[in-house]
Amino acid sequence: GAVVSQHPSWVICKSGTSVKIECRSLDFQATTMFWYRQFPKQSLMLMATSNEGSKATYEQGVEKDKFLINHASLTLSTLTVTSAHPEDSSFYICSARASAAEAFFGQGTRLTVV
Amino acid sequence: GENVEQHPSTLSVQEGDSAVIKCTYSDSASNYFPWYKQELGKRPQLIIDIRSNVGEKKDQRIAVTLNKTAKHFSLHITETQPEDSAVYFCAAILDQAGTALIFGKGTTLSVSS
Repeated sequence: GAVVSQHPSWVICKSGTSVKIECRSLDFQATTMFWYRQFPKQSLMLMATSNEGSKATYEQGVEKDKFLINHASLTLSTLTVTSAHPEDSSFYICSARASAAEAFFGQGTRLTVV
Repeated sequence: GENVEQHPSTLSVQEGDSAVIKCTYSDSASNYFPWYKQELGKRPQLIIDIRSNVGEKKDQRIAVTLNKTAKHFSLHITETQPEDSAVYFCAAILDQAGTALIFGKGTTLSVSS
């Protein structure tokens, strides 16, 4: 199957700082990538849809100024958590669909804000 | 938008027993229904999927059934093994460019030996 690579796999940052997470499609081009957030023992909640060359579409309740998404190429989308706070600590995971319906996921990023 | 309900939230079975997880969806336009298995701290892995033009699909010990009229679909695992223990998520989507999977809340399956 297609490969989606996410980096870093874990990060610890101080409150008030920003963190950038990268998501790459290694063997296919992804016009659209998706960012999810997963709190412990909960489901994957869609945060935003990242569109190559245009603005991301955010789900209701997700602050676009806090979670900056950039999709500058067909193989790379980035999520920047700005001015991170402890409540932003979570598992962030990206996803992309190659052609058919099947979605491929990155490894996920465990963000801990201290 | 789509809303997916999943039950039960936890399921404990003895090794060798069968496990059934059920999901309902709200958007009748959805036409693709995958099931994912997620182990702690790892990415979800697709285990089986079904499209709306099919009522049932089987892959060894795993099967999925779909009832379009009732808008529900189920995952069946037979002869469960301890390594089946994980969190299982159902999802629904209208299969077209740019649409995102919407997940159920997940079922924690525990298989005891």
